[in-house]
Amino acid sequence: DSGVTQTPKHLITATGQRVTLRCSPRSGDLSVYWYQQSLDQGLQFLIQYYNGEERAKGNILERFSAQQFPDLHSELNLSSLELGDSALYFCASSVGGGGNTGELFFGEGSRLTVL
Amino acid sequence: GNSVTQMEGPVTLSEEAFLTINCTYTATGYPSLFWYVQYPGEGLQLLLKATKADDKGSNKGFEATYRKETTSFHLEKGSVQVSDSAVYFCALSDLGRALTFGSGTRLQVQP
Repeated sequence: DSGVTQTPKHLITATGQRVTLRCSPRSGDLSVYWYQQSLDQGLQFLIQYYNGEERAKGNILERFSAQQFPDLHSELNLSSLELGDSALYFCASSVGGGGNTGELFFGEGSRLTVL
Repeated sequence: GNSVTQMEGPVTLSEEAFLTINCTYTATGYPSLFWYVQYPGEGLQLLLKATKADDKGSNKGFEATYRKETTSFHLEKGSVQVSDSAVYFCALSDLGRALTFGSGTRLQVQP
């Protein structure tokens, strides 16, 4: 158990809909990262938050947005969903945010299926 | 930009065989290098890491040496077990940025 909690574990929805994925980081971790894992794209970095502020942005679509709340949990919002958004979405956390030692702790992921 | 290239899988081995999974990288600076493992139905876990050239990371019988001259970080294990069946990801972190992952290599170990 990494200590990172993601909900829901599975989600099935239709094209055009909007979903929210939730992540609670390990106790004491200030950074949260979101990754998308799909069969054809591998593991893609989406976005990082550190102590409530956006720290780094990767290949995140404009239809996607995220935020980190004062209690440090984070939400990833996916809107106007397309079939190609079907993937496993991972949240990871780490203690720091500026100098990344690479020790990321991953949740078990949220599997999104868009029909 | 930064990138990580791993050998294609799946890699299928018999128990007690020797394992090598190749990983090469491209980075602008002097990255830290990592191997993560993903067991079925689980998230990724850090397996080992190396933060500078010639460092050797090791854990659970797995080893990888940071080779700056060949920009490589190959994963090795002398004798694999069925329980090592998983997907292995090579990754790098450069200048404190988020991890860049390779595409992953699935390892299947048969009894």
